[in-house]
Amino acid sequence: AQKVTQAQTEISVVEKEDVTLDCVYETRDTTYYLFWYKQPPSGELVFLIRRNSFDEQNEISGRYSWNFQKSTSSFNFTITASQVVDSAVYFCALANFYQGAQKLVFGQGTRLTINP
Amino acid sequence: DSGVTQTPKHLITATGQRVTLRCSPRSGDLSVYWYQQSLDQGLQFLIQYYNGEERAKGNILERFSAQQFPDLHSELNLSSLELGDSALYFCASSLRTGYDNEQFFGPGTRLTVL
Repeated sequence: AQKVTQAQTEISVVEKEDVTLDCVYETRDTTYYLFWYKQPPSGELVFLIRRNSFDEQNEISGRYSWNFQKSTSSFNFTITASQVVDSAVYFCALANFYQGAQKLVFGQGTRLTINP
Repeated sequence: DSGVTQTPKHLITATGQRVTLRCSPRSGDLSVYWYQQSLDQGLQFLIQYYNGEERAKGNILERFSAQQFPDLHSELNLSSLELGDSALYFCASSLRTGYDNEQFFGPGTRLTVL
């Protein structure tokens, strides 16, 4: 069974602090994709990153970075020098591809609040 | 703006009623997905269509149905509505279907069942 666990339900930090959002996944597939989405207060889901199971290189995009470790089945997301605009709910997701169809399995989300 | 449009943005209805949610995918995308986001269940996959054909079903109730039309827009029909169906319903689209296809989400339709 596919499962994504985001153990941190809520995180609150002061602006400019670094913050890491944890994501642990379970799958028996050898080929899979992992995603992070951001859901700001306005409600839409914004795609942040996609990572395939064969690429364990860390990725950095501006203040955002992602650490993928297959050995621990984790795909953690770090925001450096956080800003108030980073306040949102963040979802980690696992793509399950079966019989020609793709499904995203989402974690429960982490609500991140950045205080000024 | 993801390029995926959903109408209506908000819908308020009563128990027992039927509603239709509409989704237009990004230009060129052939796959459409429907998800439900509720407080107790989180974000759950409901169903996927690819170029007019149903490809996968998730936790979709029998009271719910969907279809994708020749112009690739999709509709999600919810009938015999219950209070527990109140949720945010997202549509997403991707170019094709496969592991590496990013799903781009629409703004959602917030359904309130009274």
